[in-house]
Amino acid sequence: GNSVTQMEGPVTLSEEAFLTINCTYTATGYPSLFWYVQYPGEGLQLLLKATKADDKGSNKGFEATYRKETTSFHLEKGSVQVSDSAVYFCALRSAYGNKLVFGAGTILRVKS
Amino acid sequence: EAGVTQFPSHSVIEKGQTVTLRCDPISGHDNLYWYRRVMGKEIKFLLHFVKESKQDESGMPNNRFLAERTGGTYSTLKVQPAELEDSGVYFCASSLSLSGNTIYFGEGSWLTVV
Repeated sequence: GNSVTQMEGPVTLSEEAFLTINCTYTATGYPSLFWYVQYPGEGLQLLLKATKADDKGSNKGFEATYRKETTSFHLEKGSVQVSDSAVYFCALRSAYGNKLVFGAGTILRVKS
Repeated sequence: EAGVTQFPSHSVIEKGQTVTLRCDPISGHDNLYWYRRVMGKEIKFLLHFVKESKQDESGMPNNRFLAERTGGTYSTLKVQPAELEDSGVYFCASSLSLSGNTIYFGEGSWLTVV
């Protein structure tokens, strides 16, 4: 079945550090890939998405590239801020359905 | 425009009691989903409504869980009787009718069974 694996956290960084959160997936066909973020006390928000191979999703300085050959969708940001502290979830949606399959989530803590 | 709203935001109940969670999707969204995150684990799909019909309920853990969406508007998820392992965050989400549309999530209902 479809599955998503993302790096375990928590990830603790200093402000302005470079961020990478790894995400790999297993799926039949060509899924769409997503990063969702949950800030403290808030719901899940879509951060970015990519719907086909080699697409790059980007938003708020974050970006991720859909790599079919390595089945990966790693999240990166060049310079994190304290306000980026949150839980980040990688997810996929099969080409054949509507439901999302999530990874376990990665806690990011950014220190000033 | 209002987003997906869920009620209650937090609930603490004793094992064996009943809890009903409510979700109001974004107006006009035919698709409504329930997901659950047990502490520290991945967010798992529970079920999917299209209007008032259950399109996919493959993720419902057992018959203690009952979801309804009368009239195709708001939805309820009832847990009866609640067990300790039901503790977690229950997310509701909605999307427009076309496949590929963004799925919008609510803030979640935090359930603690003691």
